[in-house]
Amino acid sequence: AQSVTQPDIHITVSEGASLELRCNYSYGATPYLFWYVQSPGQGLQLLLKYFSGDTLVQGIKGFEAEFKRSQSSFNLRKPSVHWSDAAEYFCAVGPFGIAGNMLTFGGGTRLMVKP
Amino acid sequence: DAGVTQSPTHLIKTRGQQVTLRCSPKSGHDTVSWYQQALGQGPQFIFQYYEEEERQRGNFPDRFSGHQFPNYSSELNVNALLLGDSALYLCASSGGLAGVGETQYFGPGTRLLVL
Repeated sequence: AQSVTQPDIHITVSEGASLELRCNYSYGATPYLFWYVQSPGQGLQLLLKYFSGDTLVQGIKGFEAEFKRSQSSFNLRKPSVHWSDAAEYFCAVGPFGIAGNMLTFGGGTRLMVKP
Repeated sequence: DAGVTQSPTHLIKTRGQQVTLRCSPKSGHDTVSWYQQALGQGPQFIFQYYEEEERQRGNFPDRFSGHQFPNYSSELNVNALLLGDSALYLCASSGGLAGVGETQYFGPGTRLLVL
C-alpha cells in the first residue's frame, strides 16, 4: 500500500530564510507526486506536481521540489520565505493509469514564520 | 472560471443523524473525489465518482455513500453519525479517470461537527 511520511510536524523559520519541507513516500510503481498548501479554514491549493521528466519542478509562489527516486523523496524548497507562507503543507502521492487518481496524503507540516 | 464549490460551509449535527454534503466541480471536470480531513491530520480518500458511478473507494464504512448527477455535481451522505465523523470534508474535481497528468482541484470544504 502506498504511504507518505512528512517527518516534521512543525517548522519555524525566520522571514527571508530558506525553507525545506521533507516528504518521503512508499509506492510500488511510478508515482505522481504533489505538494498542496492549506491556509487556516481553507481548502487545498496545488503548489506543484511531478509526473515525469525533469526531477526539479517549479511551482507557484516561488516554491520548487526535487524528486529523488533513490531516496523516495520529494522535498519542497523555497529560497526566501515570506510571512504569507505560514500555512500547512501536504505532500501527496497518486497512481498512474486507469485506476483513477486517488491521492494519499502525508500528515502535513505546519510552517510558522517569525518576523 | 468558477472553481470547486461546496455547501454548506459549516454544519452541526447530533449523533445518529444523517447528513448530506454537496459539491459542484470545476468547469470542464467530470470526476469528483471526496476526502475526510480530521483535525490535525492529512486528508483521507473516501471515494471517487465518474460517469455517475463510484469508481474507487477508500477504507470507509458503508455509512458513507455518495451520488453523482448528470451535471457532474456530487453529494456525500453520511448515515448514523458518530462523534468521530467530525471533520472537514473536502471535494476535489479532475478531468477524467485516466490519471495521466490529472490534477485534483479542491474546494474549500464543509466543516462538520457531530455533538
